[in-house]
Amino acid sequence: EVVLMESGGGLVQPGGSLRLSCATSGFTFSDHYMDWVRQAPGKGLEWIGRSTNKRNNYATQYAASARIRFTISRDESRNFLYLEMNSLTVEDTGLYYCVRGYHGFDHWGQGTLVTVSS
Amino acid sequence: DIQMTQSPSSLSASVGDRVSITCRASQDIRNHLTWFQQKPGTAPESLIYDASRLQTGVPSRFSAAGFGTDFILTISSLQPEDFAIYYCQQYESYPYTFGPGTKVDI
Repeated sequence: EVVLMESGGGLVQPGGSLRLSCATSGFTFSDHYMDWVRQAPGKGLEWIGRSTNKRNNYATQYAASARIRFTISRDESRNFLYLEMNSLTVEDTGLYYCVRGYHGFDHWGQGTLVTVSS
Repeated sequence: DIQMTQSPSSLSASVGDRVSITCRASQDIRNHLTWFQQKPGTAPESLIYDASRLQTGVPSRFSAAGFGTDFILTISSLQPEDFAIYYCQQYESYPYTFGPGTKVDI
């Protein structure tokens, strides 16, 4: 069974940093593309970025809103996906989902809540 | 960026109704479209990928079609558990983009 479990969310002040983690199991992590998607409170879905698979050297792609401030990485030995976020603003508040990018986006975690507020 | 639109933005329906939601892309995305269902307080769940392929475990009352810029999701006989928000998303080119959602309620 594919399982994705996010952690690391919380309350952070504007300008602060946060690292989100996604623990994965039930599939060969290195074979799959992985994505981060977020959802502001009461709003729709926004794609943040992607880590491709090992065959593609885990190359990353980002949305414009994330390109400079956010970094996606992996720990292949632990099957973890990460999202490092810097210079956070109130507009970054939301639920952050880890997603497997296979057959579209076939599996989602339950999300971790990030609140940016002073 | 590719813009995704959906119509209607919301609809009211009854159990047993046939319901259709359309999604339009601002440029050709071939069949690189997926549909999600999201219920309140839960993560989105994938229903359809490659425009028309059902994800494993999705009931057969869900179907979808389309290619290029125009796509449709159909629920043949609405069930109580289908009342939710439905999103389309393109994965033809970066940045991947979602439609604004269609709320299906009673």
